[in-house]
Amino acid sequence: KAGVTQTPRYLIKTRGQQVTLSCSPISGHRSVSWYQQTPGQGLQFLFEYFSETQRNKGNFPGRFSGRQFSNSRSEMNVSTLELGDSALYLCASSSQGVGNEKLFFGSGTQLSVL
Amino acid sequence: EDQVTQSPEALRLQEGESSSLNCSYTVSGLRGLFWYRQDPGKGPEFLFTLYSAGEEKEKERLKATLTKKESFLHITAPKPEDSATYLCAVQASNDMRFGAGTRLTVKP
Repeated sequence: KAGVTQTPRYLIKTRGQQVTLSCSPISGHRSVSWYQQTPGQGLQFLFEYFSETQRNKGNFPGRFSGRQFSNSRSEMNVSTLELGDSALYLCASSSQGVGNEKLFFGSGTQLSVL
Repeated sequence: EDQVTQSPEALRLQEGESSSLNCSYTVSGLRGLFWYRQDPGKGPEFLFTLYSAGEEKEKERLKATLTKKESFLHITAPKPEDSATYLCAVQASNDMRFGAGTRLTVKP
């Protein structure tokens, strides 16, 4: 069974640009959650989508948004990039959702904002 | 405010030298506590879920325990391949809170 796939693996952008990251969950999983990981703040929850609906949202500005498609694939968008957005962005999938069972993480997208 | 604190930040052990990692939390309405292992350049990999005080889970050289205020990850006779960052996470109301992790290095 294929794992969680995130693309691209690395991304370099400049301040003010926007970026879209993609996540393909494990087949059959309906929940996709997104996380930001930085050396200073650790792993922080961004939001969770379940069957195309946003179910939970962390404490991040509105520049961070996401969506989920009918095939459970998810995209995360960050608009008006800031230097502080440089981080490893991880997505995770599960069949029941965050907190109900173990999460399967992808390898992440490393975003650098210059 | 919900908080998760892991200690120590970093731990260096000799192969075979047992030790424990700590995860203390202040969360209202704990729904579950999770342990993950993360290797460099990879996403976290699930280890254990604990739901209630007194619960214990074991897997190979690892054993996780839970009290009302903290969880411990005991590593017995570690090997170099156990070197990784160990993360704990708590599920409270509507989100998952992660600790900053303990970076474990096991020297041969």
